[in-house]
Amino acid sequence: QVQLVESGGGVVQPGRSLRLSCAASGFTFSRYAMQWARQAPGKGLEWVAVISYDGRHEDYTDSVKGRFTITRDNSRNTVYLQMNSLRDEDTAVYYCARDDWYWDYWGQGTLVSVSS
Amino acid sequence: EIVLTQSPGTLSLSPGERATLSCRASQSVSSDYVAWYQQKPGQAPRLLIYGASSRATDIPDRFSGSGSGTDFTLTISRLEPEDVAVYYCQQYGSSPRTFGQGTKVEIK
Repeated sequence: QVQLVESGGGVVQPGRSLRLSCAASGFTFSRYAMQWARQAPGKGLEWVAVISYDGRHEDYTDSVKGRFTITRDNSRNTVYLQMNSLRDEDTAVYYCARDDWYWDYWGQGTLVSVSS
Repeated sequence: EIVLTQSPGTLSLSPGERATLSCRASQSVSSDYVAWYQQKPGQAPRLLIYGASSRATDIPDRFSGSGSGTDFTLTISRLEPEDVAVYYCQQYGSSPRTFGQGTKVEIK
């Protein structure tokens, strides 16, 4: 069955960096674009970043452009989100999701807390 | 960017009642590429509906979607206690993908 497992979250000071990972299994990873979304405490869902199936194309929401980078390793069935220059407002649960135009499978999420 | 506005903010109904959730887009959604997700407390979102009206795998038939253009609806025909959740619509017809702010469904 399809599984997405995020890891790498934690507590980090403003201005520091963190790298999230999302390990995929149960499907042919290299055939699908992958997404990252986030949900601040008590808030709704926000799209963060997308990467194409081959890793050649990516896009970001405006608030993270220049600070976050999405990459993937199709040999390891893993997608990453490198988060630099973290801000208080980046505090959220981060989810990865499989993109089949709609997002048909989601991971359980990993919590990132940016606090001094 | 397409803005999605969901209403009502909260819906409080008795078991067995019909729930109607609305999602209005600021401009027409290409090819009716609207999805609905259910998020139960402490859980990740789960896909319910895609293409405005197609049920995802293993979704009970009491959930249905309808609409086109700028107005979309999620209907729960007979509300059950396990349907307590926040429901989000999403458009995936144009970039950036955007979500509505969510409708919370409660049981009276």
